[in-house]
Amino acid sequence: GENVEQHPSTLSVQEGDSAVIKCTYSDSASNYFPWYKQELGKRPQLIIDIRSNVGEKKDQRIAVTLNKTAKHFSLHITETQPEDSAVYFCAINTGGGNKLTFGTGTQLKVEL
Amino acid sequence: DAGVIQSPRHEVTEMGQEVTLRCKPISGHDYLFWYRQTMMRGLELLIYFNNNVPIDDSGMPEDRFSAKMPNASFSTLKIQPSEPRDSAVYFCASRVIGANSPLHFGNGTRLTVT
Repeated sequence: GENVEQHPSTLSVQEGDSAVIKCTYSDSASNYFPWYKQELGKRPQLIIDIRSNVGEKKDQRIAVTLNKTAKHFSLHITETQPEDSAVYFCAINTGGGNKLTFGTGTQLKVEL
Repeated sequence: DAGVIQSPRHEVTEMGQEVTLRCKPISGHDYLFWYRQTMMRGLELLIYFNNNVPIDDSGMPEDRFSAKMPNASFSTLKIQPSEPRDSAVYFCASRVIGANSPLHFGNGTRLTVT
């Protein structure tokens, strides 16, 4: 199937702490796993992506890890800041790789 | 590049009326997608096109919804007749060929049907 489950649905952390969001999927053919950030009233924007031939990718304070055997991948944000507050969506490519199916989103709130 | 351009940004209409949403993808992008976003159902793929040809419309909720892409730089999503449950934010997105190429979203159209 094309389902992707995302947890947690809401996450509240103190500024400076780390945040981790996890997604699991069922389509073993998926080989592209992007993460999008959506601020209130704005469009989703790609923040990081990973392909199935690597297990981890890092870009400054954000990182994504992939376990293809277990079919899950996670977003890690370190040293969180108030501007990290947003909804984060994971996605997988499905339908022969041509389309993206999104998770249900995680509302991250970084508190001062 | 100006990115994916959608119009209008906001649309308020009465139920039963026809609604047309418009999208101009990024120049050179081969794929165009229409998504609907609601609190209850998240981001749902409605339909997508490759080189102006509809490939998968399995996400289109009902026959009241239709989409066209007459050329590489323009697409429309039409709802006729509209109903209150169609109220949502509709996003258009595009990308180049290649299963791993990033998807670029427009700013969306917020539709309210009263």
